[in-house]
Formats: sequence, C-alpha cells, structure tokens
Amino acid sequence: KQEVTQIPAALSVPEGENLVLNCSFTDSAIYNLQWFRQDPGKGLTSLLLIQSSQREQTSGRLNASLDKSSGRSTLYIAASQPGDSATYLCAVDQAGTALIFGKGTTLSVSS
Amino acid sequence: DAGVTQSPTHLIKTRGQQVTLRCSPKSGHDTVSWYQQALGQGPQFIFQYYEEEERQRGNFPDRFSGHQFPNYSSELNVNALLLGDSALYLCASSLAIGELFFGEGSRLTVL
Repeated sequence: KQEVTQIPAALSVPEGENLVLNCSFTDSAIYNLQWFRQDPGKGLTSLLLIQSSQREQTSGRLNASLDKSSGRSTLYIAASQPGDSATYLCAVDQAGTALIFGKGTTLSVSS
Repeated sequence: DAGVTQSPTHLIKTRGQQVTLRCSPKSGHDTVSWYQQALGQGPQFIFQYYEEEERQRGNFPDRFSGHQFPNYSSELNVNALLLGDSALYLCASSLAIGELFFGEGSRLTVL
C-alpha cells in the first residue's frame, strides 16, 4: 500500500531564505507526482506536476525534483516571501486515477 | 475560463441527515474526482467518475455515493451522516488521466 510522508510537518523561516520541502513515498511504481499549495480553509492549487519519466520541473521560484528509485521528491522555494505562507501538499498518482496525499508541510515566512 | 466550481461552500447538518454536494468541472474536462479532507490531514480519495460511471473508488462506505451527468458535472451524496463526516470535501477535474485541478471545496459540519 502506497504511503506518502512529508517532512517537516511545519517550518518557519525569515523572508528571503531558500528552503526545501521533502516528500517520500513507499512504492516507486508511480504515474506522476504533483505538488499543491493550500491556503487555510481553501482548495488546492496545483504548483508542479512531474511525470514519472521526468527528473524535475520548474515554475518561477519553484523547482521540484523526482527520484523514483529512492522514492523521494523535493520542492525547492527560492527567496521565500510572506505570500508563500501556506500548506504544501505532495501527492502521487499510481494508476492515473486516485492521488495519494501526504499530510503536508505548513510553511510560515516572516517579514 | 471558469475553473472547478463547488456548491455549497459551507453547510451544517445533524447526525443521520443526508447531504448533496455539487461540482462543475473545468471547461473541457471530462473526469471528476472527489476527496475528503479532515482537519490537519491530507485529502483522501473517495471516488472518480468518467463517462457517467464510477471508475475507481477509495476506502469509503456505501453511504458515500455519486453521480456524473452528461455535461460532466457531478454530485456527491452522503447518507446517514456521522460526526466523523465533518470535513472539507474537494472536487477535482481532469481531462482523462491528466493533471488534476481542484475546486475551493465544500465545508461540511455535522452536529
């Protein structure tokens, strides 16, 4: 059974820092991996989608990497801003249907 | 281009009642998935609809049922509500098995 773990559960950093969020999964047979952002009480906003054949994806200050063999993905946020404060969720798709989510990392960026 | 829209945004029910949540997918999308997110947890997959049929189902009891209409919109029905059904219910749409786009969710409180 696929399990997704995100470390750390919470993170507080000052504005301007570069940071890394970690995601690990137990079954490497995945179709793709997706990173989402969730503001309190809101829905999910897709940040980056990495297909199983890809190693990384970039969008603006965000870079996500995927290492299927080790069951790990990282989300790198450059030059963090207070507006980046949110919960970041990692999800894997094994069969092109259901996503399996981690519990998320709650990020707080102080000005 | 409207994204995924869900209604109602908030609702309060009492134990034993029934509830219907509605979802309109993003324009051009033909697949709708439903997720339940309890406080502090990652979303859990309920089921997915494609071509008006349930394609895959997560580990949820039969009290949870759904429907997809010819225009691809969808409903989630929950019967005999329990306190533990209190959660944010998220709808996501995609084109076949592509990237998922989520709505803002329906917050259900069961008293």
